[in-house]
Amino acid sequence: KAGVTQTPRYLIKTRGQQVTLSCSPISGHRSVSWYQQTPGQGLQFLFEYFSETQRNKGNFPGRFSGRQFSNSRSEMNVSTLELGDSALYLCASSSDPGTILNEQFFGPGTRLTVL
Amino acid sequence: AQSVTQLGSHVSVSEGALVLLRCNYSSSVPPYLFWYVQYPNQGLQLLLKYTSAATLVKGINGFEAEFKKSETSFHLTKPSAHMSDAAEYFCAVTDSSNTGKLIFGQGTTLQVKP
Repeated sequence: KAGVTQTPRYLIKTRGQQVTLSCSPISGHRSVSWYQQTPGQGLQFLFEYFSETQRNKGNFPGRFSGRQFSNSRSEMNVSTLELGDSALYLCASSSDPGTILNEQFFGPGTRLTVL
Repeated sequence: AQSVTQLGSHVSVSEGALVLLRCNYSSSVPPYLFWYVQYPNQGLQLLLKYTSAATLVKGINGFEAEFKKSETSFHLTKPSAHMSDAAEYFCAVTDSSNTGKLIFGQGTTLQVKP
């Protein structure tokens, strides 16, 4: 079974631009969560989607948005990029958020650098 | 509000020595607790999880953790460190089974010396 796929793996943007990151969950998984990882703030929850609906949202500005498609693939978008948005963005999928007994599987992440 | 504190951002042990990584949590309701490991340039991998069953939880790669409610702790241990255990370890908490949202600690980098 293929794991969680994130594309692209590396991305360089300049301030003010926008970026879209993609996450393909494990086949059959319907829940996708996104996290931002930085050296200063650590791992912070961005949002969670299940069956194309946002179930939870972290404490990030409105520049950060996401969506989930009918095939469970998810995208996150960051508009008007700031230097502080440079981070590793991780996506995780699980089969059913209704039970925490189901493991979340993480992708390798997308490394975003904002210049 | 939930939170997790990992004591020690860096821990160094010799190969074959005991590994002890500390995690304390704060939660107003019975928590679900997790330990994840991250190797360089990779995502996170689940080591073990506590979901209110047994308080001593065994995970992969010889790791285990004990939930102690009185101490609000969930420390990770391994009797004998291997060089391959060198990585960053994260403790995480959630208060609900119906969510994919995890609150992570700041992480502990484990160094294993030969």
